[in-house]
Amino acid sequence: KQEVTQIPAALSVPEGENLVLNCSFTDSAIYNLQWFRQDPGKGLTSLLLIQSSQREQTSGRLNASLDKSSGRSTLYIAASQPGDSATYLCAVRHGSGNTGKLIFGQGTTLQVKP
Amino acid sequence: KAGVTQTPRYLIKTRGQQVTLSCSPISGHRSVSWYQQTPGQGLQFLFEYFSETQRNKGNFPGRFSGRQFSNSRSEMNVSTLELGDSALYLCASSLVGQRNTEAFFGQGTRLTVV
Repeated sequence: KQEVTQIPAALSVPEGENLVLNCSFTDSAIYNLQWFRQDPGKGLTSLLLIQSSQREQTSGRLNASLDKSSGRSTLYIAASQPGDSATYLCAVRHGSGNTGKLIFGQGTTLQVKP
Repeated sequence: KAGVTQTPRYLIKTRGQQVTLSCSPISGHRSVSWYQQTPGQGLQFLFEYFSETQRNKGNFPGRFSGRQFSNSRSEMNVSTLELGDSALYLCASSLVGQRNTEAFFGQGTRLTVV
């Protein structure tokens, strides 16, 4: 059974700091991994999608890496800003990819202080 | 293009009642998945519909059901509501079977059972 874990559960950093969020999964037979952002009471916004054959993806100040063999992904946020404060979730899509089912971690709540 | 639309945004129901939530996916997306989000359990997969057929189901009681129409719009129904059903219900649409199968979420429906 696939399990996804995110560490830390919460993180508080001063503005401008670079930071890394961690995501681990127990079954390496994933199709892809997706990072999301969620603001309080809102839906999920997709940040980055990494296919199982890829090592990393970049979008602006965000960089996500994937090491499928060790069951790990990281989300790197450069030069953090107060607007980055939110909960960050990782999710894996299993197997052949012919499914819409995602398995989520519990999330990391990030606070960036001005 | 238009995103995933969920209606209504907020609902207050009484224990024992039933409720129907609606989700309109991104145009061309045939997979719609539903998730329940609570502070204690995080994001839990309810079920997935693809081409009007339920393809995957999570570990929820039979009170939770859904359906999908020929235009890919989906509804989920919860009967005999319990206090513990209070949650944010999110739906996601995907182009499954494609190489870059990215999930896009709606803003959610906040259900409060009193």
